[in-house]
Amino acid sequence: DGGITQSPKYLFRKEGQNVTLSCEQNLNHDAMYWYRQDPGQGLRLIYYSQIVNDFQKGDIAEGYSVSREKKESFPLTVTSAQKNPTAFYLCASSPTGVGSYNEQFFGPGTRLTVL
Amino acid sequence: SQQGEEDPQALSIQEGENATMNCSYKTSINNLQWYRQNSGRGLVHLILIRSNEREKHSGRLRVTLDTSKKSSSLLITASRAADTASYFCAPAGNMLTFGGGTRLMVKP
Repeated sequence: DGGITQSPKYLFRKEGQNVTLSCEQNLNHDAMYWYRQDPGQGLRLIYYSQIVNDFQKGDIAEGYSVSREKKESFPLTVTSAQKNPTAFYLCASSPTGVGSYNEQFFGPGTRLTVL
Repeated sequence: SQQGEEDPQALSIQEGENATMNCSYKTSINNLQWYRQNSGRGLVHLILIRSNEREKHSGRLRVTLDTSKKSSSLLITASRAADTASYFCAPAGNMLTFGGGTRLMVKP
């Protein structure tokens, strides 16, 4: 099956802890994205990557970090510096870079709750 | 910002009725896309309309684009309870950006 997967589906974290959200795709897409969605709200871009070993900050990158060591994988770390991390996190991929205007394919999301 | 803004924020209709959602944006675009999100799930791409197109159909979906007014509309005809979801427009310039969406409820 081709697709984009995220794990875990639900994640609980204590204040002050870093957590890493997984995102994997086997669609052979170059570009990958991380979004944050708060209840009843739209999506806000955290980070994106057009190619392996390169990534760019989105609109709300503070308190987050990413890596892109493999084409298939784009993990997101929510650090203790993120003041309000409780949210729904969505990963997406698209066939070519961000200037290509192609559709994005989304994973099922990870719901992070800070206790 | 080229972020889309959907209107209305919420829409409740009876099964069989048509649902119309509108989107406005502020900058020039290459295309505009519509996505659907079921509660607690990821987004699913519905349709893409290019900047040189004025109307596009896909099944029960009809999308219009007016670049002079920087607006688009999504019409779902003969709605079903399974159409209950949030719908987002995504104007595409250098990046896709997503507005707050329209929450559609279709009552059986």
